[in-house]
Amino acid sequence: GQNIDQPTEMTATEGAIVQINCTYQTSGFNGLFWYQQHAGEAPTFLSYNVLDGLEEKGRFSSFLSRSKGYSYLLLKELQMKDSASYLCAAGDSNYQLIWGAGTKLIIKP
Amino acid sequence: IAGITQAPTSQILAAGRRMTLRCTQDMRHNAMYWYRQDLGLGLRLIHYSNTAGTTGKGEVPDGYSVSRANTDDFPLTLASAVPSQTSVYFCASREQGSGANVLTFGAGSRLTVL
Repeated sequence: GQNIDQPTEMTATEGAIVQINCTYQTSGFNGLFWYQQHAGEAPTFLSYNVLDGLEEKGRFSSFLSRSKGYSYLLLKELQMKDSASYLCAAGDSNYQLIWGAGTKLIIKP
Repeated sequence: IAGITQAPTSQILAAGRRMTLRCTQDMRHNAMYWYRQDLGLGLRLIHYSNTAGTTGKGEVPDGYSVSRANTDDFPLTLASAVPSQTSVYFCASREQGSGANVLTFGAGSRLTVL
């Protein structure tokens, strides 16, 4: 079957670094996506990986290992506004997205 | 402002009633989607449309129907609402053929069925 696993909740300190892991199993693979969702709001796109390696975009970086079915989202210099849920999603052979349940990130001062 | 508009924002309705959630986009995206989001679960695809005039079933289509008469509008209908359809519903779109498959979401419709 198709499945995405990510931690339910994580806590980190303002100014620190946090890594949110995601493992996936899909029928075919067409990219790994990370979305951010603030409470009561819609998900917004953060990053996309289709090849192995690290993609850096400002304070956020995303890593993919296709052989391991593994990705992580790295957030540096954490700010209070980074408190949100982070959704991992993998594209399957039909280009449909399979979504994880999301990781709620709590930032403490 | 380009984007997706959903209506209503929030609705409470009695079980057995018919309800249509509206979704309109002005980005001329070909593909549109309806998801539901429940606590502890990932976004689940209800129905999708790859282009005007075509629709397809997603992971959880039972109890829901959609239509795609034109590019911009993609309404979701609950023919006879049941309490298990209490959820937050998100409409999304993407430009067909874009390799990155990046979705743009509407603000969501919170539905409570009593």
